Amino acid sequence: QKEVEQNSGPLSVPEGAIASLNCTYSDRGSQSFFWYRQYSGKSPELIMSIYSNGDKEDGRFTAQLNKASQYVSLLIRDSQPSDSATYLCAVNDNNFNKFYFGSGTKLNVKP
Amino acid sequence: GAGVSQSPSNKVTEKGKDVELRCDPISGHTALYWYRQSLGQGLEFLIYFQGNSAPDKSGLPSDRFSAERTGGSVSTLTIQRTQQEDSAVYLCASSPRTAGPDSPLHFGNGTRLTVT
Repeated sequence: QKEVEQNSGPLSVPEGAIASLNCTYSDRGSQSFFWYRQYSGKSPELIMSIYSNGDKEDGRFTAQLNKASQYVSLLIRDSQPSDSATYLCAVNDNNFNKFYFGSGTKLNVKP
Repeated sequence: GAGVSQSPSNKVTEKGKDVELRCDPISGHTALYWYRQSLGQGLEFLIYFQGNSAPDKSGLPSDRFSAERTGGSVSTLTIQRTQQEDSAVYLCASSPRTAGPDSPLHFGNGTRLTVT
């Protein structure tokens, strides 16, 4: 089984701060990487995808990928209480057939 | 447009009974996945369908679990002789394709299964 590791948290940050969420993966052949947000009792929803080394920005969200270190992260700038959720890291294998998910990091943004 | 539709949204069944969970993917999506999420846990891969190819069943936890996808669209996940440990949220997701790096999963709202 391919591994996707995340710190379960909870990660607590004050409103307006930067939240940094991290994920490591074991399959060096992985090609695509995704961050999903899951509110309690709801299904996961896609926030960002990234497949090239470096940074990808979308509004308050920045995904960072380092394939050499097998590391992907998500930065949330100007964190809001509405960002409080569990963030799931997902990795698409090199055959693009399976998506492997981490167990998620719970983020709490305190007003 | 319509998203991934799952039914029922909630199912309570007695231990030993069979259950069927239904998933209707986004129109035109060729890939369909089933995942299971137990309370407070991550997503556990169950099975994957791609077009008319044979499904990848490597994640099914036991032979009590089976799934089919008719006409390349609607999928049914069947759990026979349910056990209490089968209690979880069963999530279906579809994807436009599997060949290509930027082809994310789109999830349905899930079926919450409770086995009493």
